[in-house]
Amino acid sequence: GAGVSQSPRYKVAKRGQDVALRCDPISGHVSLFWYQQALGQGPEFLTYFQNEAQLDKSGLPSDRFFAERPEGSVSTLKIQRTQQEDSAVYLCASSLWTSSEQYFGPGTRLTVT
Amino acid sequence: AQSVAQPEDQVNVAEGNPLTVKCTYSVSGNPYLFWYVQYPNRGLQFLLKYITGDNLVKGSYGFEAEFNKSQTSFHLKKPSALVSDSALYFCAVRDEGTDKLIFGTGTRLQVFP
Repeated sequence: GAGVSQSPRYKVAKRGQDVALRCDPISGHVSLFWYQQALGQGPEFLTYFQNEAQLDKSGLPSDRFFAERPEGSVSTLKIQRTQQEDSAVYLCASSLWTSSEQYFGPGTRLTVT
Repeated sequence: AQSVAQPEDQVNVAEGNPLTVKCTYSVSGNPYLFWYVQYPNRGLQFLLKYITGDNLVKGSYGFEAEFNKSQTSFHLKKPSALVSDSALYFCAVRDEGTDKLIFGTGTRLQVFP
Protein backbone atom coordinates (compact mmCIF):
# COMPACT_ATOMS: atom_id res chain seq x y z
CA GLY A 1 0.00 0.00 0.00
CA ALA A 2 0.95 3.65 -0.15
CA GLY A 3 3.46 4.86 2.36
CA VAL A 4 3.90 8.25 3.97
CA SER A 5 4.30 10.99 1.38
CA GLN A 6 5.72 14.46 1.81
CA SER A 7 5.73 17.51 -0.40
CA PRO A 8 7.62 19.31 -1.64
CA ARG A 9 10.68 17.06 -1.62
CA TYR A 10 12.97 20.08 -1.90
CA LYS A 11 12.36 23.68 -0.93
CA VAL A 12 14.65 26.66 -1.25
CA ALA A 13 13.55 29.74 0.66
CA LYS A 14 15.10 33.14 1.08
CA ARG A 15 15.70 34.17 4.65
CA GLY A 16 12.56 35.71 6.05
CA GLN A 17 10.12 33.84 3.82
CA ASP A 18 7.37 31.59 5.17
CA VAL A 19 7.23 27.93 4.12
CA ALA A 20 4.65 25.16 4.45
CA LEU A 21 5.58 21.49 4.38
CA ARG A 22 2.92 18.84 3.82
CA CYS A 23 2.67 15.30 5.12
CA ASP A 24 0.20 12.63 3.99
CA PRO A 25 0.31 9.77 6.48
CA ILE A 26 -0.59 6.16 5.86
CA SER A 27 -4.36 5.89 5.73
CA GLY A 28 -5.84 4.96 9.08
CA HIS A 29 -2.77 5.82 11.10
CA VAL A 30 -3.75 7.59 14.29
CA SER A 31 -0.40 9.08 15.27
CA LEU A 32 1.68 11.53 13.28
CA PHE A 33 5.13 12.83 14.18
CA TRP A 34 7.40 15.52 12.76
CA TYR A 35 11.19 15.31 13.12
CA GLN A 36 14.03 17.58 12.03
CA GLN A 37 17.25 16.01 10.74
CA ALA A 38 20.31 18.22 10.43
CA LEU A 39 23.12 17.12 8.16
CA GLY A 40 25.06 14.22 9.64
CA GLN A 41 22.78 13.92 12.66
CA GLY A 42 19.97 11.72 13.83
CA PRO A 43 16.38 12.94 13.57
CA GLU A 44 15.14 15.10 16.42
CA PHE A 45 11.54 15.25 17.55
CA LEU A 46 9.51 18.35 16.81
CA THR A 47 5.85 17.60 17.49
CA TYR A 48 3.25 14.83 17.69
CA PHE A 49 -0.44 14.44 16.90
CA GLN A 50 -2.94 11.83 17.90
CA ASN A 51 -5.72 12.25 15.38
CA GLU A 52 -6.26 16.02 15.23
CA ALA A 53 -4.98 16.72 18.72
CA GLN A 54 -1.45 18.04 19.07
CA LEU A 55 -0.32 16.25 22.21
CA ASP A 56 3.30 17.34 22.33
CA LYS A 57 5.02 20.30 20.72
CA SER A 58 7.97 20.44 23.07
CA GLY A 59 10.49 19.97 20.27
CA LEU A 60 9.49 22.97 18.19
CA PRO A 61 12.58 25.20 18.29
CA SER A 62 10.76 28.53 18.36
CA ASP A 63 7.36 30.15 18.00
CA ARG A 64 8.12 30.52 14.29
CA PHE A 65 7.30 26.84 13.94
CA PHE A 66 3.67 25.78 13.82
CA ALA A 67 2.05 22.46 12.95
CA GLU A 68 -1.53 21.42 12.39
CA ARG A 69 -3.58 18.35 11.50
CA PRO A 70 -7.10 19.74 11.38
CA GLU A 71 -8.97 16.64 10.20
CA GLY A 72 -6.74 14.01 11.73
CA SER A 73 -5.13 13.04 8.45
CA VAL A 74 -2.91 15.40 6.43
CA SER A 75 -0.55 17.55 8.46
CA THR A 76 1.24 20.78 7.64
CA LEU A 77 4.37 22.11 9.28
CA LYS A 78 4.71 25.84 8.81
CA ILE A 79 7.83 27.86 9.42
CA GLN A 80 7.51 31.62 9.52
CA ARG A 81 10.32 34.06 8.78
CA THR A 82 12.78 31.30 7.94
CA GLN A 83 16.34 31.56 9.20
CA GLN A 84 19.48 29.84 7.94
CA GLU A 85 19.53 27.57 10.96
CA ASP A 86 16.19 26.15 9.82
CA SER A 87 17.97 24.44 6.92
CA ALA A 88 17.48 20.71 7.46
CA VAL A 89 15.49 17.71 6.31
CA TYR A 90 12.02 17.61 7.82
CA LEU A 91 10.71 14.09 8.27
CA CYS A 92 7.15 13.06 8.88
CA ALA A 93 6.22 9.68 10.36
CA SER A 94 2.94 7.96 11.12
CA SER A 95 2.01 4.97 13.21
CA LEU A 96 -1.13 2.92 13.63
CA TRP A 97 -1.17 3.46 17.36
CA THR A 98 1.03 5.44 19.64
CA SER A 99 3.01 2.39 20.71
CA SER A 100 3.56 0.82 17.29
CA GLU A 101 6.48 1.40 14.96
CA GLN A 102 6.65 4.64 13.03
CA TYR A 103 6.82 4.72 9.24
CA PHE A 104 8.69 7.63 7.74
CA GLY A 105 8.18 9.66 4.60
CA PRO A 106 11.05 10.61 2.28
CA GLY A 107 11.43 14.02 3.91
CA THR A 108 11.49 17.61 2.70
CA ARG A 109 14.94 19.14 2.35
CA LEU A 110 14.67 22.82 3.25
CA THR A 111 17.50 25.15 2.31
CA VAL A 112 17.33 28.72 3.53
CA THR A 113 19.57 31.13 1.63
CA ALA B 1 16.22 11.11 30.49
CA GLN B 2 16.15 8.31 27.97
CA SER B 3 18.86 8.04 25.38
CA VAL B 4 20.68 5.74 23.00
CA ALA B 5 24.33 5.78 22.01
CA GLN B 6 25.94 4.49 18.87
CA PRO B 7 29.66 4.40 19.61
CA GLU B 8 30.84 3.84 16.04
CA ASP B 9 30.54 6.50 13.36
CA GLN B 10 31.39 3.95 10.68
CA VAL B 11 31.61 0.19 10.36
CA ASN B 12 33.42 -1.44 7.47
CA VAL B 13 32.88 -5.09 6.58
CA ALA B 14 33.60 -7.31 3.61
CA GLU B 15 30.70 -8.77 1.69
CA GLY B 16 29.76 -12.19 2.99
CA ASN B 17 31.14 -11.54 6.48
CA PRO B 18 28.95 -11.08 9.54
CA LEU B 19 28.23 -7.53 10.62
CA THR B 20 27.42 -5.89 13.95
CA VAL B 21 26.30 -2.32 14.51
CA LYS B 22 26.37 -1.37 18.17
CA CYS B 23 23.78 0.45 20.27
CA THR B 24 23.49 0.99 24.00
CA TYR B 25 20.53 2.52 25.76
CA SER B 26 19.59 4.31 28.94
CA VAL B 27 15.96 4.22 30.09
CA SER B 28 14.12 4.62 33.34
CA GLY B 29 11.53 1.93 32.70
CA ASN B 30 11.05 -0.85 30.17
CA PRO B 31 12.91 -0.17 26.93
CA TYR B 32 11.11 0.00 23.60
CA LEU B 33 13.94 -0.16 21.07
CA PHE B 34 14.05 0.21 17.31
CA TRP B 35 16.46 0.02 14.40
CA TYR B 36 15.99 2.06 11.23
CA VAL B 37 18.03 2.26 8.03
CA GLN B 38 18.40 5.35 5.85
CA TYR B 39 19.50 5.26 2.22
CA PRO B 40 20.68 8.46 0.49
CA ASN B 41 17.91 11.01 -0.12
CA ARG B 42 15.33 8.73 1.40
CA GLY B 43 13.46 8.57 4.67
CA LEU B 44 14.07 6.07 7.39
CA GLN B 45 12.96 2.49 6.87
CA PHE B 46 11.87 0.41 9.83
CA LEU B 47 13.98 -2.73 10.35
CA LEU B 48 12.91 -4.21 13.66
CA LYS B 49 11.80 -3.50 17.20
CA TYR B 50 12.08 -4.90 20.71
CA ILE B 51 9.13 -4.45 23.04
CA THR B 52 9.20 -7.54 25.20
CA GLY B 53 9.76 -11.26 24.86
CA ASP B 54 12.62 -13.04 23.15
CA ASN B 55 15.97 -11.29 23.37
CA LEU B 56 16.74 -12.09 19.72
CA VAL B 57 14.52 -10.08 17.42
CA LYS B 58 14.30 -10.83 13.71
CA GLY B 59 13.57 -8.09 11.21
CA SER B 60 13.57 -7.13 7.57
CA TYR B 61 16.26 -7.96 4.98
CA GLY B 62 17.84 -10.68 7.13
CA PHE B 63 18.72 -8.35 10.00
CA GLU B 64 18.32 -9.30 13.64
CA ALA B 65 19.10 -7.61 16.92
CA GLU B 66 20.05 -8.94 20.31
CA PHE B 67 18.61 -7.30 23.40
CA ASN B 68 20.89 -7.58 26.43
CA LYS B 69 19.42 -6.15 29.61
CA SER B 70 22.52 -6.56 31.77
CA GLN B 71 24.69 -4.73 29.25
CA THR B 72 21.90 -2.31 28.23
CA SER B 73 22.67 -3.05 24.61
CA PHE B 74 20.65 -3.67 21.47
CA HIS B 75 23.18 -4.52 18.76
CA LEU B 76 22.11 -4.99 15.15
CA LYS B 77 23.48 -8.07 13.41
CA LYS B 78 23.43 -9.86 10.09
CA PRO B 79 25.14 -13.20 9.42
CA SER B 80 26.28 -12.34 5.88
CA ALA B 81 26.62 -8.75 4.69
CA LEU B 82 25.64 -7.57 1.21
CA VAL B 83 27.04 -4.56 -0.64
CA SER B 84 23.45 -3.30 -0.83
CA ASP B 85 23.36 -3.13 2.98
CA SER B 86 25.64 -0.09 2.80
CA ALA B 87 23.63 2.73 4.38
CA LEU B 88 23.18 4.79 7.54
CA TYR B 89 21.73 2.91 10.50
CA PHE B 90 19.94 4.50 13.45
CA CYS B 91 19.08 3.01 16.80
CA ALA B 92 16.15 4.62 18.64
CA VAL B 93 14.28 4.34 21.92
CA ARG B 94 10.65 5.27 22.43
CA ASP B 95 10.03 7.89 25.08
CA GLU B 96 7.48 6.36 27.44
CA GLY B 97 5.88 9.64 28.33
CA THR B 98 5.33 10.99 24.83
CA ASP B 99 5.88 8.11 22.35
CA LYS B 100 8.40 10.15 20.39
CA LEU B 101 11.51 8.35 19.19
CA ILE B 102 14.90 9.41 20.52
CA PHE B 103 17.57 8.57 17.96
CA GLY B 104 21.24 7.87 18.18
CA THR B 105 23.73 9.72 16.05
CA GLY B 106 23.81 6.99 13.42
CA THR B 107 26.40 4.52 12.16
CA ARG B 108 27.44 4.40 8.54
CA LEU B 109 27.83 0.82 7.35
CA GLN B 110 30.11 0.27 4.38
CA VAL B 111 30.16 -3.21 2.85
CA PHE B 112 33.04 -3.78 0.44
CA PRO B 113 32.84 -6.31 -2.41
